[in-house]
Amino acid sequence: NAGVTQTPKFRVLKTGQSMTLLCAQDMNHEYMYWYRQDPGMGLRLIHYSVGEGTTAKGEVPDGYNVSRLKKQNFLLGLESAAPSQTSVYFCASGVIANVLTFGAGSRLTVL
Amino acid sequence: KNQVEQSPQSLIILEGKNCTLQCNYTVSPFSNLRWYKQDTGRGPVSLTIMTFSENTKSNGRYTATLDADTKQSSLHITASQLSDSASYICVVTLTGGGNKLTFGTGTQLKVEL
Repeated sequence: NAGVTQTPKFRVLKTGQSMTLLCAQDMNHEYMYWYRQDPGMGLRLIHYSVGEGTTAKGEVPDGYNVSRLKKQNFLLGLESAAPSQTSVYFCASGVIANVLTFGAGSRLTVL
Repeated sequence: KNQVEQSPQSLIILEGKNCTLQCNYTVSPFSNLRWYKQDTGRGPVSLTIMTFSENTKSNGRYTATLDADTKQSSLHITASQLSDSASYICVVTLTGGGNKLTFGTGTQLKVEL
């Protein structure tokens, strides 16, 4: 039972490049989330999903897109990376909305 | 604006000593409050959860208290261990659930020999 797995763990991008972060959970959770964590700030919600095929915007959605084609996977995409998107990204999942299991994080640097 | 503020920002204590971390929130209406532990390079892990009607909740050497009237919570760590070194994050949920979680910035705790 792996819980919540994020790939890749580390990535360096140049400004303007695109990439996708993958989150996979094996707990059959309906709810999945993408957060970013920046120094001196609390975790901020980017996008979330309440079930397969559904997505919704969170607090800081600009510059990101998401997809939930399969219940167990939640993808976070950056179409044109910017230095302001340098951050640590956390995926989380839950049976109900506020009982979350977090992944180990993906550190992204945009040069 | 709904906010969660934690203090101190950082703390260093000697192994075996006790410490208390504070969380003040202005989130309203309030549903529940969680404390998470986040080890360096890892995701947050839930320690305790309390609803507005609960005053205290324990998890081993961790004891959380909640005063819903003053909108304050504390996390008390007893007989600290080196493995307690981590960031402790207070998270408040708005009534109605959904995804209205407000995260504090955390208290960075370091336990030294």
